[in-house]
Parts: sequence; C-alpha cells; structure tokens
Amino acid sequence: AIRMTQSPSSFSTSTGDRVTITCRASQGISTYLAWFQHNPGKAPKLLIYAASTLQSGVPSRFSGSGSGTDFTLTISRLQSEDSATYYCQQYYSYPRTFGQGTKVEIK
Amino acid sequence: EVQLVESGGGLVQPGGSLRLSCVDSGFIFSTNWMTWVRQAPGKGLEWVANIKPDGSEKHYVDSVRGRFTISRDNAKNSLYLQMNSLRDEDTAVYYCARGIGDFWGQGTLVTVSS
Repeated sequence: AIRMTQSPSSFSTSTGDRVTITCRASQGISTYLAWFQHNPGKAPKLLIYAASTLQSGVPSRFSGSGSGTDFTLTISRLQSEDSATYYCQQYYSYPRTFGQGTKVEIK
Repeated sequence: EVQLVESGGGLVQPGGSLRLSCVDSGFIFSTNWMTWVRQAPGKGLEWVANIKPDGSEKHYVDSVRGRFTISRDNAKNSLYLQMNSLRDEDTAVYYCARGIGDFWGQGTLVTVSS
C-alpha cells in the first residue's frame, strides 16, 4: 500500500495567516491526490482533487499543488471556520490511503 | 440536492455481524463508484472499500478483506456493507461517499464490544 505522510501533525495559528500543509507519498502517484477538511461529528468535505483542482463551492483561499510524491495544501488567509483536521488521500492505486491528518487550530 | 444517509450501525459483540446501508437521493446513483470510509475513535480517516457502478468490480483494504462485503442495489439507490467476524478494532464511524468523496453521508457508529 502507498503510505501518505503529512506534516505537520498539528499546529496553532492566527486568522489571516497563510497556512501550508505538506503530504508526501511513498511512491509516485502522478496527480491522483485529494484534500479533505473534517470536523468532529460532521461529514468530511472535499476541497481539492487532481492535486490542484478546486472543488465546486470551495473558497478560493484554498489551493493545492504538486505531483509525483510531494504535494501541498495552502490556505492563503486563514478564517476561523477553517479550524479542522485536513487529510490528503491518494487514489492512484488500491487500497486508497489517507495521510494521518493535520489538525489546524486557531489561536 | 445530493443526500447520502447511512443506517445500520449499533453495538455488536466481537465475532458478530452487522449490515450497513447507505441510501442516496438527488443524483444518478447507478453511474457512480461508491465508497465506504471509517474513522475509529481518536484516529484518522481510513478507506475501507469501493464498488464500480455496475457492481462488477470491488476493492477492499487488507484489514477487512474476507470479512466485509460491499454491494449495491441500483434499483433502490442503495449501497451496503456486510460486516462479519467483527473485531474490536472495527469500532468506528462508517461513512459512505460518492466516488472519490465529493459527497458524504453523516456517518453511522459501529461499536464492537463485549
């Protein structure tokens, strides 16, 4: 199985800040990567697919980049409602695998 | 509007069985891959299984292969997960999702405990 490693695991930052989360695949996955936002008790929400395509309805402050093994999710200006855990997931091969998650807290 | 609703979760003893259901409304169910994802308490998301639109192709994570069976009934717009030989480590909220995850249900809790 392809291992997905996110960094950092968690951090605390302020509204208005620029946030970058990285995701590394244990082998090349082209651009078969998605990013999800998840809050406790709620359904996960798709933010980005194909590494850099913004899902319909997702604010433009979210962006994704990368290909091969290294990927990033960027939130250009953090808002209070962005407090959540973020996951990357590869859909290049089976089994699909998620990163361990990055918890973003607002100071 | 797309809506996925899971049901069938509950408390079951180790070694027992449960069948989860996910009913869709609002999109053409029969043309989409469907997926099950779970989240154990205090853990991250784990992909469990998916199924092709016509049901002819299914994939599983190793930890459930041979114990869980994913299926669908396109006439009923329904997705299922038959879970047998349940273990403590199967305790989780189980979500159904469309395709790679553009729409999700709210989840159903499965607790495996004696």
